[in-house]
Amino acid sequence: GQQLNQSPQSMFIQEGEDVSMNCTSSSIFNTWLWYKQDPGEGPVLLIALYKAGELTSNGRLTAQFGITRKDSFLNISASIPSDVGIYFCAGLVYNQGGKLIFGQGTELSVKP
Amino acid sequence: EPEVTQTPSHQVTQMGQEVILRCVPISNHLYFYWYRQILGQKVEFLVSFYNNEISEKSEIFDDQFSVERPDGSNFTLKIRSTKLEDSAMYFCAIRDVNEQFFGPGTRLTVL
Repeated sequence: GQQLNQSPQSMFIQEGEDVSMNCTSSSIFNTWLWYKQDPGEGPVLLIALYKAGELTSNGRLTAQFGITRKDSFLNISASIPSDVGIYFCAGLVYNQGGKLIFGQGTELSVKP
Repeated sequence: EPEVTQTPSHQVTQMGQEVILRCVPISNHLYFYWYRQILGQKVEFLVSFYNNEISEKSEIFDDQFSVERPDGSNFTLKIRSTKLEDSAMYFCAIRDVNEQFFGPGTRLTVL
């Protein structure tokens, strides 16, 4: 089946540092989505990417849809303590009811 | 951002019992999804529901699972005879164009 490999699994950074995480797949996706999940809550959509090569920003977050449509990355600039959480990438499969395939997540810890 | 609510927030049940998890989208949508997340793991797709029928289901979604939208509003996931391994967070999601928005989840604990 389709799988996404997300890395790194976890990151421990100092407040103010930039962060980068990425997802790769052996399959092509038409849409990439990035979510953040706080403990005990549902995933919250951060950024959606629709076209190969697309670079999209949302505040301090920037994400890119890879040219091959098999990868995506998310950058967080100037991290702050509330950035703590688990970040998931997800690829949308149009022809299968529009289901999402999720990566394993990147757990981000920010030290003040 | 579309709002999705789920009830209950936490359900504790005995193995072999039936449970019904409910999802209430605030506005009208056509596509609904159920996902589950075992503690510490990634989110996994269970089933997609479009136009009042299942459009896709995963291998996790076996005969013990069913979904329906009985009154055109609530969207339910039923597990007929729960197993220990069904313990997880269950998320409902709705689709808005090509984005999916998740509810807060129901934590199911099977004892």
